[in-house]
Amino acid sequence: NAGVTQTPKFQVLKTGQSMTLQCAQDMNHEYMSWYRQDPGMGLRLIHYSVGAGITDQGEVPNGYNVSRSTTEDFPLRLLSAAPSQTSVYFCASSPGGRELFFGEGSRLTVL
Amino acid sequence: RKEVEQDPGPFNVPEGATVAFNCTYSNSASQSFFWYRQDCRKEPKLLMSVYSSGNEDGRFTAQLNRASQYISLLIRDSKLSDSATYLCVVNKGSWGKLQFGAGTQVVVTP
Repeated sequence: NAGVTQTPKFQVLKTGQSMTLQCAQDMNHEYMSWYRQDPGMGLRLIHYSVGAGITDQGEVPNGYNVSRSTTEDFPLRLLSAAPSQTSVYFCASSPGGRELFFGEGSRLTVL
Repeated sequence: RKEVEQDPGPFNVPEGATVAFNCTYSNSASQSFFWYRQDCRKEPKLLMSVYSSGNEDGRFTAQLNRASQYISLLIRDSKLSDSATYLCVVNKGSWGKLQFGAGTQVVVTP
């Protein structure tokens, strides 16, 4: 009954460091996506995938990379962290229907 | 101008009262609409879809006004557990085109 699992839940980075946020879902959903949520702003789409091997950019893709080698996993890589990437990151999956299932979020602080 | 706009609130509502709030969207090509609920420091969860004819789910009623480009959410007989931020979500036609509003905060008080 795991749903969408994100790790880590909290992370502090220094400017210039790289890291990967992990996302895994056990619902066999084809669609997966990454959002960031900042105060006063709606969730903004970073990258998304409609199936293994297929990824595309969302609204705010700069500074982030993704890959989708399996249906279950959709990691988000920060290449060189910047303070502007301090945010709460949510991974979501969907069976292609009407509902997004979100992970619990990853809170990232870049110093 | 943001594509999806919401009054951030907070809407302070006595327990048992009714509260309603709107969400406006700018793209007339938007095809589907949703309300999500987000508790403090938690992930968003789908509350309900919004259909053209309007729809109810228990104490919650959602309406769509395409002519004026807004959707609304009404909560009747508010419960303390209804305290949350309500996110408006608009789909322009594909899963890569979901737009989230920044949310409306509702605080239900005893």
